[in-house]
Amino acid sequence: DGGITQSPKYLFRKEGQNVTLSCEQNLNHDAMYWYRQDPGQGLRLIYYSQIVNDFQKGDIAEGYSVSREKKESFPLTVTSAQKNPTAFYLCASTPWDGTGANVLTFGAGSRLTVL
Amino acid sequence: EDKVVQSPLSLVVHEGDTVTLNCSYEVTNFRSLLWYKQEKKAPTFLFMLTSSGIEKKSGRLSSILDKKELFSILNITATQTGDSAVYLCARPGTYKYIFGTGTRLKVLA
Repeated sequence: DGGITQSPKYLFRKEGQNVTLSCEQNLNHDAMYWYRQDPGQGLRLIYYSQIVNDFQKGDIAEGYSVSREKKESFPLTVTSAQKNPTAFYLCASTPWDGTGANVLTFGAGSRLTVL
Repeated sequence: EDKVVQSPLSLVVHEGDTVTLNCSYEVTNFRSLLWYKQEKKAPTFLFMLTSSGIEKKSGRLSSILDKKELFSILNITATQTGDSAVYLCARPGTYKYIFGTGTRLKVLA
């Protein structure tokens, strides 16, 4: 079945450590996104990528980094520069065929807790 | 980029009630509007609306778009406790999706 796989589902990190969240999709989607969600809050865009080897900062990119070396993979690294990284992280993808009428599909999410 | 505004922010109802959730948006090159339901996990897709005045329906849920007045509503009839969730609306911008802050619905037994 096609879908988006995020791992790990739960992650604990000590302050000062970098961690990488994995996001893999087998939907053949061009565009991929990372969102952050804090308790009781909406979704905030961290980074997005429309094509391989290209990505753009979203609204809250500071303290995060990404890569898009393969179409199906879009890992997110939460660096020690991110001051408050405890949150729920969602990866999403869409075909982005230019119509603007594509459903955004989400992975199951990764919950990061900084101890 | 254009905003998406949802109201109310939260809502508490009893089972069997009907609720109406609102989503308004500013417009630049409007193409579609999407509704999602989020429980304690990833959002799940409900509806995509592209044409004004055409109701989309799935069971007790329905949604309609008004492109002239720049809003959409999501109706849930005969609510059940399983409808308790955050409901998000979103629209695609130039290269990304713009989400509202969501409406938190709690249905009491």
